[in-house]
Amino acid sequence: GQQLNQSPQSMFIQEGEDVSMNCTSSSIFNTWLWYKQEPGEGPVLLIALYKAGELTSNGRLTAQFGITRKDSFLNISASIPSDVGIYFCAGLAMGAGGTSYGKLTFGQGTILTVHP
Amino acid sequence: GAVVSQHPSRVICKSGTSVKIECRSLDFQATTMFWYRQFPKQSLMLMATSNEGSKATYEQGVEKDKFLINHASLTLSTLTVTSAHPEDSSFYICSAIRGINEQFFGPGTRLTVL
Repeated sequence: GQQLNQSPQSMFIQEGEDVSMNCTSSSIFNTWLWYKQEPGEGPVLLIALYKAGELTSNGRLTAQFGITRKDSFLNISASIPSDVGIYFCAGLAMGAGGTSYGKLTFGQGTILTVHP
Repeated sequence: GAVVSQHPSRVICKSGTSVKIECRSLDFQATTMFWYRQFPKQSLMLMATSNEGSKATYEQGVEKDKFLINHASLTLSTLTVTSAHPEDSSFYICSAIRGINEQFFGPGTRLTVL
């Protein structure tokens, strides 16, 4: 089955530093999504990417959909303490008939710790 | 924005009992909902796809007789963990699709089986 490899597994950074994490896949996805999850909560969508090569920003977050459709990265600039959490990439593949059925494949997650 | 709720947020039960978890889409109709399971510090594992008006589709390795799913309306899907055992303790999260591909997650339900 499809698998997403997300790296790094964890990051310990100082407040103000930039962060970069990425996901790679052995197969093609038509949509890449980045989520943040805080303890005891469900994932919250940060950025959605729908087109190969697309670069999208949301405040201090920037994400790109790789041109090969097999990878994506998420950058966080000028990190702050409230950025702590687990970040997940997720891919959505298109099934037969052009529908995706919504079945997401998740990366393993990147645990981010920000020291003030 | 779209909101998906889950109830209860946490439940503790005795081994052998059944537990029902509700997932509701609060401001949109969802013909498709998903149920995930998540262990500490791990990623989300898809358990099943819940389709309104039809039987759920279970992922390989998920026992359909143990995890009963009912999607009785366009805003409600329920997951019942039957005859729960301690190994069923986990964080259960649902998601709902709005439109074609917008997927929103619920806040999760922490199940502890004693």
